[in-house]
Amino acid sequence: GENVEQHPSTLSVQEGDSAVIKCTYSDSASNYFPWYKQELGKRPQLIIDIRSNVGEKKDQRIAVTLNKTAKHFSLHITETQPEDSAVYFCAASSMNYGGSQGNLIFGKGTKLSVKP
Amino acid sequence: EPEVTQTPSHQVTQMGQEVILRCVPISNHLYFYWYRQILGQKVEFLVSFYNNEISEKSEIFDDQFSVERPDGSNFTLKIRSTKLEDSAMYFCASSGQGGDQPQHFGDGTRLSIL
Repeated sequence: GENVEQHPSTLSVQEGDSAVIKCTYSDSASNYFPWYKQELGKRPQLIIDIRSNVGEKKDQRIAVTLNKTAKHFSLHITETQPEDSAVYFCAASSMNYGGSQGNLIFGKGTKLSVKP
Repeated sequence: EPEVTQTPSHQVTQMGQEVILRCVPISNHLYFYWYRQILGQKVEFLVSFYNNEISEKSEIFDDQFSVERPDGSNFTLKIRSTKLEDSAMYFCASSGQGGDQPQHFGDGTRLSIL
């Protein structure tokens, strides 16, 4: 089955710096890669996602890159702010027979701390 | 923006008791999921549900677990005889049909087994 590795487990940056979180996956059939932000005690919230037919996607300060050959994808946050502090999870899944995603396999998470 | 809602927010149960966690997915969604997150750990897939049947389930989802869509709006997870290791946050998620539809998570139910 799919296995998703994520690193680093913790990341501390100064406000305004960039943060990069990296994930690798094992199953070449995976074709959907979302990133979720989870604040303490709250639900995982989708912040950006990318499909395997795209190499890069950007949404304001957040970008995700995908290297299908190497089976890794990364989250880039620029101009970090204290409110970016949270746990970030990457995930991978494949489209199932019904035309929607299969189950999400999550990485172990990265605790990002942005210091003012 | 429509949301997935879950009740209760916190459930405390004695070991061996049955517990039912409830979810109301987003109304036009067709795919439903349960995940769990043990404190401080990653989110783990339990089961997916489509067209009134289980699509996939993980090794965690053993005979003690069951899911049901009793009516047009609710989606439930039942744990028949709870164990201490069932203590976790349980998240329900739903998604619409189509490969570009993301999964939206509810706020979760914190299950504490005593």
